[in-house]
Amino acid sequence: DIQMTQSPSSVSASVGDTVTITCQASQDISSWLVWYQHKPGKAPVLLIYTASTLQSGVPSRFSGSGSGTDFTLTISSVQPEDFATYYCQQADSFPYSFGQGTKLEIK
Amino acid sequence: QVQLVESGGGLVKPGGSLRISCTASGFRFTDYYLTWIRQAPGKGLEWLSYISGSGISKHYADSVKGRFTISRDNANNSLYLQMNSLRVEDTAVYYCARGVAGIYGNDYWGQGTLVTVSS
Repeated sequence: DIQMTQSPSSVSASVGDTVTITCQASQDISSWLVWYQHKPGKAPVLLIYTASTLQSGVPSRFSGSGSGTDFTLTISSVQPEDFATYYCQQADSFPYSFGQGTKLEIK
Repeated sequence: QVQLVESGGGLVKPGGSLRISCTASGFRFTDYYLTWIRQAPGKGLEWLSYISGSGISKHYADSVKGRFTISRDNANNSLYLQMNSLRVEDTAVYYCARGVAGIYGNDYWGQGTLVTVSS
């Protein structure tokens, strides 16, 4: 089974900062990587699929990159509504798996 | 509009069983795979199970394989998760979600149903 490792587990940022979250797969998953945003008490929201394709309706300040085993999610000019937990998930092979999450907190 | 609504959560004793449901509306049900994902208190998201649009293909996480069974009723736009031999560590909010193909991610999720396993 594929293991996903995110870093950092938490990050503090101010509004307007740029934040980068990394995700590493235990084996090559090509570009089959998805990113979600999750706020407490709400349903998770799909941000990016196939590592770098922005889901319709997601602000362009979110971007993704990477392939193989190493991936990044970048949030440029963080906004107040972006403070949440972010998860990567591999969609290369079953069972699918999530990273442990990265909590973006207000500095 | 697309809606996924989970139901059936509640309190169950260790070793017990529970079936949770997810009722869908606003889209052509059979065009989408469905999946169950959970979040235990204070923990991250955990992928649990997948079922194809036809219901033929199914997959499970190792943590629930042999205990949980995913199914769908395409005539009634419903998804189910039969959970047997429940453990305290199965306590979580259970979400259903849909997608057109795994590589494109889950574009709609329900709000979740809480399952508590406790004596």
